[in-house]
Amino acid sequence: DAKTTQPPSMDCAEGRAANLPCNHSTISGNEYVYWYRQIHSQGPQYIIHGLKNNETNEMASLIITEDRKSSTLILPHATLRDTAVYYCIVRVGDLRNTDKLIFGTGTRLQVFP
Amino acid sequence: DAGVTQSPTHLIKTRGQQVTLRCSPKSGHDTVSWYQQALGQGPQFIFQYYEEEERQRGNFPDRFSGHQFPNYSSELNVNALLLGDSALYLCASSLERGQVRQYFGPGTRLTVT
Repeated sequence: DAKTTQPPSMDCAEGRAANLPCNHSTISGNEYVYWYRQIHSQGPQYIIHGLKNNETNEMASLIITEDRKSSTLILPHATLRDTAVYYCIVRVGDLRNTDKLIFGTGTRLQVFP
Repeated sequence: DAGVTQSPTHLIKTRGQQVTLRCSPKSGHDTVSWYQQALGQGPQFIFQYYEEEERQRGNFPDRFSGHQFPNYSSELNVNALLLGDSALYLCASSLERGQVRQYFGPGTRLTVT
């Protein structure tokens, strides 16, 4: 699995967009980009995933560069409840969920009032 | 619909002892993965069970073993506990086919003294 690089921490004002970057320069053509987050003392929570097209759901948007070497998770209107550690993960597969998730140390996002 | 549940919530053991952690997957899920999360680190994959067999294993010693029951619930056993085994142990469930995300439980906090 490709490795990812994320900034260790970021701050964001409540109500503003939070843009969390991730570098995955060694990603393979069949690897997807996944984002999970972990709120303090809870298990990780799936946010979104994508292969090469931009994706949006009720939680966030995922922007993947054309060369697929980096991506950005966007929380359009951050709230205090979005304070968490955000993990960017790349992994093979979409329909088969057999592959393990390889977590890095993630980005600790602090949303302030 | 109950999500992934884990028991116990917290556990304190002494070095050299053995421990069993339990996980009930989300309804309808047939695959269970276990992760270890040390303080300040991302979760590390231990192993995955499907159809009552260990299908994948991470870089963990044989002291870590598991089991999956016919109802898909799972146990994680750790023998000869070391201080370094103190961590949050997370269980995640998924469908072997057709789903792209893993659902995590709240974890069991194990402290080894």
